[in-house]
Amino acid sequence: GENVEQHPSTLSVQEGDSAVIKCTYSDSASNYFPWYKQELGKRPQLIIDIRSNVGEKKDQRIAVTLNKTAKHFSLHITETQPEDSAVYFCAASPQTGANNLFFGTGTRLTVIP
Amino acid sequence: DTEVTQTPKHLVMGMTNKKSLKCEQHMGHRAMYWYKQKAKKPPELMFVYSYEKLSINESVPSRFSPECPNSSLLNLHLHALQPEDSALYLCASSQDTPPSTGEQYFGPGTRLTVT
Repeated sequence: GENVEQHPSTLSVQEGDSAVIKCTYSDSASNYFPWYKQELGKRPQLIIDIRSNVGEKKDQRIAVTLNKTAKHFSLHITETQPEDSAVYFCAASPQTGANNLFFGTGTRLTVIP
Repeated sequence: DTEVTQTPKHLVMGMTNKKSLKCEQHMGHRAMYWYKQKAKKPPELMFVYSYEKLSINESVPSRFSPECPNSSLLNLHLHALQPEDSALYLCASSQDTPPSTGEQYFGPGTRLTVT
């Protein structure tokens, strides 16, 4: 089955700096890669996703890049703000539709004011 | 309505109790999911329903019994749980008809404590 690795496990940045979280996956059939943000005690919230036919996607301060050859994808947050502090999970899915999301182990991001 | 709702928010039950968790969505999604999340861990898939039929069971013990009465509702019946089953139980839904986007939307979860 799919195996998703995520690094780093914790990340602290100064407010205004950029944060980068990296994930690798093992199953070449995976073609959907979402990122979720989970604040303490709250639900995971989808913040951005990318599909295997796209190399990069951007939404305001958040961007995701995908290298299908190397089987890795990354989340980039620019101009970080204290409210960006949360746990971020990457995930990979072998196909669209009703299927499993294989999650990475999570990155705890702390933005220091 | 663009939300997945779950009840109850918190549940404390003994090992001999029977209880149910409920999940509801009105986004017209035809796939619904149960996940279990332990502290500081990612969500782990338990069950997937597609068009009200169970399509994936990730080898979950029989003390957890899912039910999908209709396309908007998903239940998880609990019986004879163990303390190690204490966790946050998350429901999610996604559109499951082409062109499916694969996006899964999570409910707020039920925090379950088994005593």
